[in-house]
Amino acid sequence: DAKTTQPPSMDCAEGRAANLPCNHSTISGNEYVYWYRQIHSQGPQYIIHGLKNNETNEMASLIITEDRKSSTLILPHATLRDTAVYYCIVRVAPTGTASKLTFGTGTRLQVTL
Amino acid sequence: GAVVSQHPSRVICKSGTSVKIECRSLDFQATTMFWYRQFPKQSLMLMATSNEGSKATYEQGVEKDKFLINHASLTLSTLTVTSAHPEDSSFYICSARALRQGNTGELFFGEGSRLTVL
Repeated sequence: DAKTTQPPSMDCAEGRAANLPCNHSTISGNEYVYWYRQIHSQGPQYIIHGLKNNETNEMASLIITEDRKSSTLILPHATLRDTAVYYCIVRVAPTGTASKLTFGTGTRLQVTL
Repeated sequence: GAVVSQHPSRVICKSGTSVKIECRSLDFQATTMFWYRQFPKQSLMLMATSNEGSKATYEQGVEKDKFLINHASLTLSTLTVTSAHPEDSSFYICSARALRQGNTGELFFGEGSRLTVL
């Protein structure tokens, strides 16, 4: 699976958009970009994933650059409950044991009043 | 989204005893589940892949005789920490893959089980 690079930490004011970047310059054509987050002392939570098109769901938007070497997770209106560690993971579509996820260190997002 | 439940959420045990943690997929069947371990301020580390009806596949450095995994049904996998020691104190998290029409099988995680060995 391709390696990802994320800033270790970010701050965001409540109500503002949180933009979390991820670099994955070695991504292959068949690899997806997945985002998960982990709130303190809880299991990770799936947020969104995409291949090459931008994606949006009820939680967030995922913007993938045209060359697919980087992406940005956007939380449009961050709240205090969005404070968590956000993980960007790149891997092929899961089949069998390929489903396993390898977690990096992620970005610790702190949402403040 | 799919629901994965772990039990117990917290457990304290004495050194030398064994502890069993259950992972259940509540609204879907999971032929494959994964067990992770997370130490404080660190990321999740995959321990093993649990396959229904067959032996688990362990990651390098994980002792299979110490961390016994059983995946007897399509909705239940168990992790037993045998002869636990204080260094086994950690946050154990399971995950399962939900395969439904229209998705690419993203993983869903349990709430985690915090083990403290005295």
